[in-house]
Amino acid sequence: DARVTQTPRDKVTEMGQEVTMRCQPILGHNTVFWYRQTMMQGLELLAYFRNRAPLDDSGMPKDRFSAEMPDATLATLKIQPSEPRDSAVYFCASGFGSGNTGELFFGEGSRLTVL
Amino acid sequence: QKEVEQNSGPLSVPEGAIASLNCTYSDRVSQSFFWYRQYSGKSPELIMSIYSNGDKEDGRFTAQLNKASQYVSLLIRDSQPSDSATYLCAVTSDTGGFKTIFGAGTRLFVKA
Repeated sequence: DARVTQTPRDKVTEMGQEVTMRCQPILGHNTVFWYRQTMMQGLELLAYFRNRAPLDDSGMPKDRFSAEMPDATLATLKIQPSEPRDSAVYFCASGFGSGNTGELFFGEGSRLTVL
Repeated sequence: QKEVEQNSGPLSVPEGAIASLNCTYSDRVSQSFFWYRQYSGKSPELIMSIYSNGDKEDGRFTAQLNKASQYVSLLIRDSQPSDSATYLCAVTSDTGGFKTIFGAGTRLFVKA
């Protein structure tokens, strides 16, 4: 059963701490997206990769967020230092193709709470 | 102006009725259009995709696309209480390498 796997599922941390979220895309998919979802903003695109190359990370606060894809089976999203306003559910999604990259499969999300 | 706009709702319909969900987008070069369903506390799941003008039907779901008006809609026929969820419109354009942008979603309640 192919699925996107995200860890951790839940994370509670204190302001100023580093947070790393991990995503294993579906084997064979060549696009990976990171989204953040809050009640107020909905699903915001943070960054995305195609064939492991970062294509756009304009949605991320550059001073504290970083996204990488060290290999085809792992994507990471790091926040350092974390702030209370970063509290949200972070989703990773993967897909395959060019024009139909919107056909995405989502992980279960990482719920982050920054105190 | 947001790139993808949806009425946040909630939209409430009785069981068996047709639910109509609407979405507009701002980027004229958008190429692919999608509807995702998200149950409370769960992740979004793809239910429909549409790439050309007109209607596309899949079971009780019909997606409609009008590129001239930059408008996408989703019709749910014979609505069931299990259809109660948030419906997210998503648009992919080739600006910046086929990124996919989501609307904020419309909450749908189907009353038994």
